[in-house]
Amino acid sequence: DIQMTQSPSSLSASVGDRITITCRASQSISDHLNWYQQKPGKVPKLLIYRASNLETGVPSTFSGSGSGTEFTLTISSLQPADSATYYCQQSDRTPLTFGQGTKVEI
Amino acid sequence: QVQLQESGPGLVKPSRTLSLTCTVSGGSINTGGYYWSWIRQHPGAGLEWIGYIYYTGGAYYNPSLKSRLIISIDTSNNQFSLKLSSVTAADTAVYYCARTSDYGDSFDIWGQGTMVTVSS
Repeated sequence: DIQMTQSPSSLSASVGDRITITCRASQSISDHLNWYQQKPGKVPKLLIYRASNLETGVPSTFSGSGSGTEFTLTISSLQPADSATYYCQQSDRTPLTFGQGTKVEI
Repeated sequence: QVQLQESGPGLVKPSRTLSLTCTVSGGSINTGGYYWSWIRQHPGAGLEWIGYIYYTGGAYYNPSLKSRLIISIDTSNNQFSLKLSSVTAADTAVYYCARTSDYGDSFDIWGQGTMVTVSS
C-alpha cells in the first residue's frame, strides 16, 4: 500500500495568514493526489483533484501543487470558515489511501 | 444534482454481517465515468477506503477487508451495497458512500454518512 504522510498534524494560524500543508507519498504517484476538507461532524468535501485542479465552487484561496512524492495544499488568506481537518488522498493505485489529516485552527 | 444516501442498521452484533445500501438520486448509476465507493471513518480517526464498484459490476476492494467484503450494484434501482461479514468492534465507524470520478479517482460527491456500531 502507498503510505501518505501529512505535516504538520495540526496548526494554529490567524485570519488572513497564508498556510501550507504538506503531503508525502511513500512512492511516486505522479499527480494522482486529491485534497479534502472535513469540518467537525460533517462530510468530507473535495477541494483539489489531480494535485492542482480546483473543484467547482471551491474558493480560489485554496491551491494545490506538487508531483511525484511531495505535494502541498496552500490557503492564501485564511478565513474563519477554513477551520477544519484537511486530508490528502492518493489515487495512483488501489487501495486508495488517505493521509492522517491536518487539523487547522483559527 | 446527484445525491447519495446511505441506509441500513445502526447496530450490528459481533460476528454478524453489516449490510448497507447507498441510493443515488438525481442521476443514473448506470453510466460510465464514475465508480461508486464505500469509505469509513473510525470515531475520532481518519478515512479508510473500503472499495468501489463500476456500473458493469467490476469491483475493487481494500485488501485489508477483501476476505469479508462484498460490494454489489443494482442499476435498476440506482443503488449499490456493501456487505461486511464477521464484524467486530473494530468495524464500528461512520460509513460513507461516495461517487468517485474515474478522472483522478477523487470522491466528488458523498452521502451524509451512517454510524454503525458493532456491539452485543
